Amino acid sequence: SAVISQKPSRDICQRGTSLTIQCQVDSQVTMMFWYRQQPGQSLTLIATANQGSEATYESGFVIDKFPISRPNLTFSTLTVSNMSPEDSSIYLCSVEELTGELFFGEGSRLTVL
Amino acid sequence: RKEVEQDPGPFNVPEGATVAFNCTYSNSASQSFFWYRQDCRKEPKLLMSVYSSGNEDGRFTAQLNRASQYISLLIRDSKLSDSATYLCVAAVYGQNFVFGPGTRLSVLP
Repeated sequence: SAVISQKPSRDICQRGTSLTIQCQVDSQVTMMFWYRQQPGQSLTLIATANQGSEATYESGFVIDKFPISRPNLTFSTLTVSNMSPEDSSIYLCSVEELTGELFFGEGSRLTVL
Repeated sequence: RKEVEQDPGPFNVPEGATVAFNCTYSNSASQSFFWYRQDCRKEPKLLMSVYSSGNEDGRFTAQLNRASQYISLLIRDSKLSDSATYLCVAAVYGQNFVFGPGTRLSVLP
């Protein structure tokens, strides 16, 4: 499976600031996604990162709050904007391989004070 | 009603026990099904895909019943290292992978 690297792995941020999470894949992939996992919860899809066009957001998530870039088939960023304590979560980058299976990066653990 | 539902757990079982997890999905258009395991503070990792004919991988057996929209995972001869949260996933081709809430398993010595 593809090797997916995320950074930062964790960060502690102040309310009102923004944080950009990077996701690098070691091979070209078509489908790339960003998920959020809040404490004690399961995974929720934020958006599909589309190469060369705007991301496709799920209900409850908007571009102004979670801008996403996908400049090529191996890289994407997710920004969490104007953070509040409710944004404290693990943010996970994932890719869908040709087998139809989903693989995840190690996640970025965000704590907002 | 959640799209994917699982046994709430937690399951606390002794080493060597057999444990079964159940999962139901509500979207009849779902075509692909998976079990993931997630260790504490780690990312989910694919345990196995679930095929219509059922499939087995060592101590793990997954089954799918499309008519009942039901998926199961059986773990035989439980090991301490099997302790984790098990996530059931249903996906519609070209659409979102929907994760269940997970069932936590603790295998006790």
